[in-house]
Amino acid sequence: RKEVEQDPGPFNVPEGATVAFNCTYSNSASQSFFWYRQDCRKEPKLLMSVYSSGNEDGRFTAQLNRASQYISLLIRDSKLSDSATYLCVVIHAGNMLTFGGGTRLMVKP
Amino acid sequence: SAVISQKPSRDICQRGTSLTIQCQVDSQVTMMFWYRQQPGQSLTLIATANQGSEATYESGFVIDKFPISRPNLTFSTLTVSNMSPEDSSIYLCSAKNGGEREKLFFGSGTQLSVL
Repeated sequence: RKEVEQDPGPFNVPEGATVAFNCTYSNSASQSFFWYRQDCRKEPKLLMSVYSSGNEDGRFTAQLNRASQYISLLIRDSKLSDSATYLCVVIHAGNMLTFGGGTRLMVKP
Repeated sequence: SAVISQKPSRDICQRGTSLTIQCQVDSQVTMMFWYRQQPGQSLTLIATANQGSEATYESGFVIDKFPISRPNLTFSTLTVSNMSPEDSSIYLCSAKNGGEREKLFFGSGTQLSVL
């Protein structure tokens, strides 16, 4: 089993739809969690941190479920500009970072 | 947040040559990393660049092939040596401060094509 797993997609959704991705992690001692967005041929950019209490930023909501060892990203009212690959990042003890394989989202008119 | 300048942004190189990629951070950071991202794949960590000492390489990556320097807290270089077409990839520099909750920031990447 991979340390951090994501459904590669693609998720094809119409504009205005709500879409959610999950990212599972295997190391129960993982400390910190982030979602990054990567556009084609660009570097990953931080989208949001994931806190135990959940985190909302506009149309984006990130949640952590420690019992089931996954984080989620919910995007409401999808825009065409949300089309990208979404990477989850998990930090373990000792500052070890692991990237998920990414989930590709395509929002269509 | 840190701003990371990486250059060159792209290059096309001949087999057997070497390319050095530079990474400059606008503030002192504790940790700098080099990643590779092959087409359609996620990021693979090559090594952690340690200031003033040898980099820490991940499994499958060796110093002779990917020598790394980090002379100070804001600058690092990665050299891709004796290149082959299999080295064609995007190489990304990244940086963060030491705390586990600190965010990771990336340079804009170097797209390398080896003929």
